[in-house]
Amino acid sequence: QSALTQPPSASGSPGQSVTISCTGTSSDVGAYNYVSWYQQHPGKAPKLVIYEVSKRPSGVSDRFSGSKSGNTAFLTVSGLLADDETDYYCSSYAGGIHYVFGTGTKVTVL
Amino acid sequence: EVQLVESGGGLVQPGGSLRLSCAASGFTFSRYPLHWVRQAPGKGLEYVSGISSNGEAPYYRNSVKGRFTISRDNSKNMMFLQMGSLTSEDMALYYCARESVLAFDMWGQGTMVTVSS
Repeated sequence: QSALTQPPSASGSPGQSVTISCTGTSSDVGAYNYVSWYQQHPGKAPKLVIYEVSKRPSGVSDRFSGSKSGNTAFLTVSGLLADDETDYYCSSYAGGIHYVFGTGTKVTVL
Repeated sequence: EVQLVESGGGLVQPGGSLRLSCAASGFTFSRYPLHWVRQAPGKGLEYVSGISSNGEAPYYRNSVKGRFTISRDNSKNMMFLQMGSLTSEDMALYYCARESVLAFDMWGQGTMVTVSS
């Protein structure tokens, strides 16, 4: 039940891209293609932006993309906008009916 | 409107109990697994507990096992979290979340649990 590891912070200039990593183990991220990513603005509930590693829910900008390699998943935000500056969390299915979250990454738009 | 609304949070003394509720509307409640996720002030998201669509095979993180009980009433579109032996480690904003495509596609606004004497 250890949290997935994310870098505490990431940054990029407007219009550029930023990529966030999410490292788990062979029991969660490495075992299943069910990694999801959430954007959380201050004082708000999390919002799903990527599911099943690389799929976008309806209404989510195509500037958000996801991928996975082994035990590590990645979220890339392209064409950075001021509104992208906030916290991002990964999550992975871990078997049965339980999940594990990442430690969270604060994205700063320079 | 499609939504989840949590309630039942509040101030409780260490060692006390509290029952959280999550009311759902706008979708077929009985089709979806549901979960509780918490967030301590200024901290990250932490998975707490989950329950299948038919209420079987609940899951609890180790730190709440034996103290928390998750349940649901599909006839009333409600989910619950009975919390006991509360400590300062349990103080957080508690969200209920709907699971779909093995992700949390809908979240409530949360209910705050404060543990203090």
